[in-house]
Amino acid sequence: SQKIEQNSEALNIQEGKTATLTCNYTNYSPAYLQWYRQDPGRGPVFLLLIRENEKEKRKERLKVTFDTTLKQSLFHITASQPADSATYLCALDEVGNTPLVFGKGTRLSVIA
Amino acid sequence: NAGVMQNPRHLVRRRGQEARLRCSPMKGHSHVYWYRQLPEEGLKFMVYLQKENIIDESGMPKERFSAEFPKEGPSILRIQQVVRGDSAAYFCASSPREGMNTEAFFGQGTRLTVV
Repeated sequence: SQKIEQNSEALNIQEGKTATLTCNYTNYSPAYLQWYRQDPGRGPVFLLLIRENEKEKRKERLKVTFDTTLKQSLFHITASQPADSATYLCALDEVGNTPLVFGKGTRLSVIA
Repeated sequence: NAGVMQNPRHLVRRRGQEARLRCSPMKGHSHVYWYRQLPEEGLKFMVYLQKENIIDESGMPKERFSAEFPKEGPSILRIQQVVRGDSAAYFCASSPREGMNTEAFFGQGTRLTVV
């Protein structure tokens, strides 16, 4: 069956450290993979998109990698801050014109 | 340019009543997607609409749920005869063209509580 799994439900890290979140998928062949941030009581906000032929994408303190052999994406936040505390969702799009399929998310807490 | 607008933000309905959730996409966007999020669950796709057309309703329950996106006005997700299990956050997203392969713009959601 098809599955998207994000490493842990919750992740606690110390301020200033790098947070690494994992997204693994089974029985999908995504054309795109996206990462979103969701704060409590709010809608998801787009962060980064990476295509199947891209290995890595960066945006300020964020970095996403995409390994289609391992069927995995890693999402890194460097120099993390308490304001980065939120739930991070990965989502994939199989053929580029279908609705996104989301993982359950990882709740990140950055402790000062 | 206002973002995706959803209303109401919170909706309380008694079992058996109807719930109507509205979504106004971003200006210039003609593609709307509805998702449901249960507590501690991921976002689950329900339905994809373009103006006046349902493109994909594979995620929507066959009974009691319907959606429309008329030529004028917002997209409506309608739940008839609500049950406790319908309690969830309902989000809509819009995009300017087919697919969500650039970025999807989500609204703030409608939190439906069935009592």
